[in-house]
Amino acid sequence: QQQVKQSPQSLIVQKGGISIINCAYENTAFDYFPWYQQFPGKGPALLIAIRPDVSEKKEGRFTISFNKSAKQFSLHIMDSQPGDSATYFCAAHTGRRALTFGSGTRLQVQP
Amino acid sequence: SAVISQKPSRDICQRGTSLTIQCQVDSQVTMMFWYRQQPGQSLTLIATANQGSEATYESGFVIDKFPISRPNLTFSTLTVSNMSPEDSSIYLCSAGTSSYEQYFGPGTRLTVT
Repeated sequence: QQQVKQSPQSLIVQKGGISIINCAYENTAFDYFPWYQQFPGKGPALLIAIRPDVSEKKEGRFTISFNKSAKQFSLHIMDSQPGDSATYFCAAHTGRRALTFGSGTRLQVQP
Repeated sequence: SAVISQKPSRDICQRGTSLTIQCQVDSQVTMMFWYRQQPGQSLTLIATANQGSEATYESGFVIDKFPISRPNLTFSTLTVSNMSPEDSSIYLCSAGTSSYEQYFGPGTRLTVT
C-alpha cells in the first residue's frame, strides 16, 4: 500500500512554542497533501492543505512546508496554544481517490 | 465545504448481529468513503462508495462483511455484518468534492460484546 510516514508519534511543546510535525511520502503521483486535526471523540477536521507546485502555505498560525524533491512535507504550528492539543494526521492522495494517512502525532501543549 | 452527519453516534451490539451506519452530507458530493479507526490509531480505508453501483473495497475488506450502499449524491450506508468483538472500532464517513478537499463525519463508535 502507498505509505505516508509521519513523525514524531508524540510531541510536547510549551505554550508559545513552535510545534513541528514531519511527513514523507513515496508515491510521486500524489498531488494533494492535507493535514487533519482530530480531538478526542470527534472526526478529523481539515486544517490546511497544499499542492506540490507550492513550497509553502500559511493560514494563520499554521504553515505547511513542502519539499517536492525530498518527497517530504511538514506542519508548523506557531505560538502553540493549549487548545491546539490534539492528534494531527498528514495525508496524501491523487485525483478522486481516498486519502492515504500518516500514523498520527499526538500533540500536547503545556500551559 | 461539506457538513457530514452520521447515525448512530455510538452503539453497543451483540456478537453475531448487524448494524447499519448512515452518512448524510448537506450538499451533493463527488466522492464518499468509509474508514475505520481503532482508538489511538490512524484511519484505514474500508471502501469507496460509488453512486448507483457497487462499492470498491480495499484489501482485507469484503462486501459480505461490509455491504455499502450509495443511492444518491448525498447519502450512504455502511453495514457491519455478523459482528465480532474485533469489529469494535470507530467508523467514519468522508465526502469530497471535485476540489480535492475531503471532509469527515463525527464517526460512529461501535462496541461489540
